[in-house]
Amino acid sequence: GDQVEQSPSALSLHEGTGSALRCNFTTTMRAVQWFRKNSRGSLINLFYLASGTKENGRLKSAFDSKERYSTLHIRDAQLEDSGTYFCAADNTEGADRLTFGKGTQLIIQP
Amino acid sequence: GPKVLQIPSHQIIDMGQMVTLNCDPVSNHLYFYWYKQILGQQMEFLVNFYNGKVMEKSKLFKDQFSVERPDGSYFTLKIQPTALEDSAVYFCASSRTGWETLYFGSGTRLTVL
Repeated sequence: GDQVEQSPSALSLHEGTGSALRCNFTTTMRAVQWFRKNSRGSLINLFYLASGTKENGRLKSAFDSKERYSTLHIRDAQLEDSGTYFCAADNTEGADRLTFGKGTQLIIQP
Repeated sequence: GPKVLQIPSHQIIDMGQMVTLNCDPVSNHLYFYWYKQILGQQMEFLVNFYNGKVMEKSKLFKDQFSVERPDGSYFTLKIQPTALEDSAVYFCASSRTGWETLYFGSGTRLTVL
């Protein structure tokens, strides 16, 4: 079965509000990355975490390897935040071999 | 931020032909990857490559697939011969150490007719 379960699959927010995306893992992961796919199909790197939390502007991510989950919090959402967000995690000891979630389609409404 | 470039963005070929997908990774990166995404499905790992060698490959990396990066030029994925089920978007990625952030290209959409 899927090793990375991402939720929700779709989310609609009004500008200025916030929410959280979540990925649950069925096995212990070494690290997690979060991406946003823009309208041109490019994967934009948001975060890489091996543990703990990171914050960048209006985005904040957390990763708990032991509890097998990661979250991405968005606050004060803006129209340009719209896109599909993916988490991807790595459970190997060698070079990264990412397993992707199915993505969350985020729509920010005025 | 660092950019991975993929050429071409789209490719249409007839089944049985050979195709080469090109990737220009980030200049100081040492680890290179190909991922495959069939329409409507998740991106899936194909192969990673370091120091001129394939390190790991998934079951999706069929015998018809090969990768190379001759003399620091493009990192390529060659499929010979192609099959209908090879139609997908292929994403190239690179990372500096293999333990850090992967940077992805925008993908090459391959259509096999």
